[in-house]
Amino acid sequence: QKEVEQDPGPLSVPEGAIVSLNCTYSNSAFQYFMWYRQYSRKGPELLMYTYSSGNKEDGRFTAQVDKSSKYISLFIRDSQPSDSATYLCAMGEGGGGNKLTFGTGTQLKVEL
Amino acid sequence: DSGVTQTPKHLITATGQRVTLRCSPRSGDLSVYWYQQSLDQGLQFLIQYYNGEERAKGNILERFSAQQFPDLHSELNLSSLELGDSALYFCASSPGLADRTDTQYFGPGTRLTVL
Repeated sequence: QKEVEQDPGPLSVPEGAIVSLNCTYSNSAFQYFMWYRQYSRKGPELLMYTYSSGNKEDGRFTAQVDKSSKYISLFIRDSQPSDSATYLCAMGEGGGGNKLTFGTGTQLKVEL
Repeated sequence: DSGVTQTPKHLITATGQRVTLRCSPRSGDLSVYWYQQSLDQGLQFLIQYYNGEERAKGNILERFSAQQFPDLHSELNLSSLELGDSALYFCASSPGLADRTDTQYFGPGTRLTVL
């Protein structure tokens, strides 16, 4: 079983829809949670960074972390065709080692 | 633009050969990370350097090695290349804060094709 599980999709939604992307994880030592957006054949781009449980909002994006359920979510409001990309969740334990463990990514397509 | 640069963008080589990928971190970042991204494995952590020293190691093959130089740029060396090494190789950098997982910024990647 992978440490981080993410539905690969593809997920297709109409423009303006609310998108919900999710990851589950098994390592209870994870404390730092990130969402990256990756356009085809480009480097991942950081969207959201959160520490421990709770919500964080940035524009149309909201990240939620529920450590008790080992479940994180990214919501995209008023989705746009430019949001079409692969979304990767990533997690870290903190401390001396800063490596990130990534989900496999969810491919999102927002259609006109 | 993340501020992380990687060269070359594309590399095509043959099995058994050796290649070197180069990465320059964002100004001020002390940590450099290398990741491999293939279609079936997703983004896999290979190795981290902090201010010239190896800090963390992931699933890096013995045929692969890396180093970070005094000017903080890093090189990833891949030797005895196999077809299965074909992938995107990303470098990321971060300030390298010791007490947390700090934000990593990714470069544009090097696409390696082994024929």
